[in-house]
Amino acid sequence: AQSVAQPEDQVNVAEGNPLTVKCTYSVSGNPYLFWYVQYPNRGLQFLLKYITGDNLVKGSYGFEAEFNKSQTSFHLKKPSALVSDSALYFCAVRDNRDSSASKIIFGSGTRLSIRP
Amino acid sequence: DGGITQSPKYLFRKEGQNVTLSCEQNLNHDAMYWYRQDPGQGLRLIYYSQIVNDFQKGDIAEGYSVSREKKESFPLTVTSAQKNPTAFYLCASRVGVSSYEQYFGPGTRLTVT
Repeated sequence: AQSVAQPEDQVNVAEGNPLTVKCTYSVSGNPYLFWYVQYPNRGLQFLLKYITGDNLVKGSYGFEAEFNKSQTSFHLKKPSALVSDSALYFCAVRDNRDSSASKIIFGSGTRLSIRP
Repeated sequence: DGGITQSPKYLFRKEGQNVTLSCEQNLNHDAMYWYRQDPGQGLRLIYYSQIVNDFQKGDIAEGYSVSREKKESFPLTVTSAQKNPTAFYLCASRVGVSSYEQYFGPGTRLTVT
């Protein structure tokens, strides 16, 4: 089965500290991985993606993610958290069962809370 | 500005009524998608369309219907057969043929009482 898991419902970090939001995946074939952010009552915004190449991917707002094939993980990171980073974060993977449709499977989301 | 428009932002309906949610994009994207978001469950795919006049069921299509008569428009109808229609509905389009990320609209929050 193709799936993506976000093991933490909530992550709490003090402003200025590094943050990590965890994601693991299960897909057949090569993984195409994404991170999105959602602010309250808004649509999702694309942060970054991994398709191929360097395992460390840089994205918007200072976020980066590390692809680890052996651990089937794609954790989202930021060296220094801001209060404005507080939001709901979704990890996602392309559903490889039908590549022409480019369907994406989303994790259940992790709420990131940054305290001042 | 290019983007996806979903209207209205908030929608209230009585149980037993059909309701249509609007999704319009001026990005010239071919593929469009409808998702449902419930607390703690992430996004679930309702329907998707890769080209005009063609669409496929997603994982939770029961009680929903769509049409794709124009490239720019992909309306979703929530029918009275949908047992639990109250949710946040998100429309998205695919950025490009070789690019797999999706671009999302602002969403419509539907409340059925």
